[in-house]
Amino acid sequence: GAVVSQHPSWVICKSGTSVKIECRSLDFQATTMFWYRQFPKQSLMLMATSNEGSKATYEQGVEKDKFLINHASLTLSTLTVTSAHPEDSSFYICSALSRSDQPQHFGDGTRLSIL
Amino acid sequence: GQQLNQSPQSMFIQEGEDVSMNCTSSSIFNTWLWYKQDPGEGPVLLIALYKAGELTSNGRLTAQFGITRKDSFLNISASIPSDVGIYFCAGPYGGATNKLIFGTGTLLAVQP
Repeated sequence: GAVVSQHPSWVICKSGTSVKIECRSLDFQATTMFWYRQFPKQSLMLMATSNEGSKATYEQGVEKDKFLINHASLTLSTLTVTSAHPEDSSFYICSALSRSDQPQHFGDGTRLSIL
Repeated sequence: GQQLNQSPQSMFIQEGEDVSMNCTSSSIFNTWLWYKQDPGEGPVLLIALYKAGELTSNGRLTAQFGITRKDSFLNISASIPSDVGIYFCAGPYGGATNKLIFGTGTLLAVQP
């Protein structure tokens, strides 16, 4: 149980385009989802916290207008990287929380490459 | 801000050897989590610790919640090639938000 799916797993696109990444909890309802970014050989850095039906909370230094997060249902959160540039190339990972007293379950990540 | 420092940064061992790694913080944590990340995948939870002094095992893995609540340790016994990966400690911060801060990671390489 507690499976989190991300789509796509890998995307390459041109500089200036927008890219949407989906995060789904397949067998549970997730009131809270989290979005992380991981650069090569580095740790996971939390970007934002996404709560169903409300605006996402962004960590310091993360541009909310560049990284649009939508959490329209209890099983789906999306991250849209707007006007992506090469420096946005990274591994983006989501996680989902079913209950506040349970650990987060992570998706398999999305490798984003901007040319 | 808070930081979780892991040591060692990387380890290269022979199959069958035991492994020890640790995670230290400048501040107190009430929960310690240990994750493993394989290349190109998301982290997978290995062990969760909720009480100072707690010692918890998961197969060949054993983790301990340090008495000071500022550190945690992970041991792997009789390592095998599939233990290869990056091991991260993590702890919650920000009050009741369930946000996690991750450690710097320990890269483990096991030679058959």
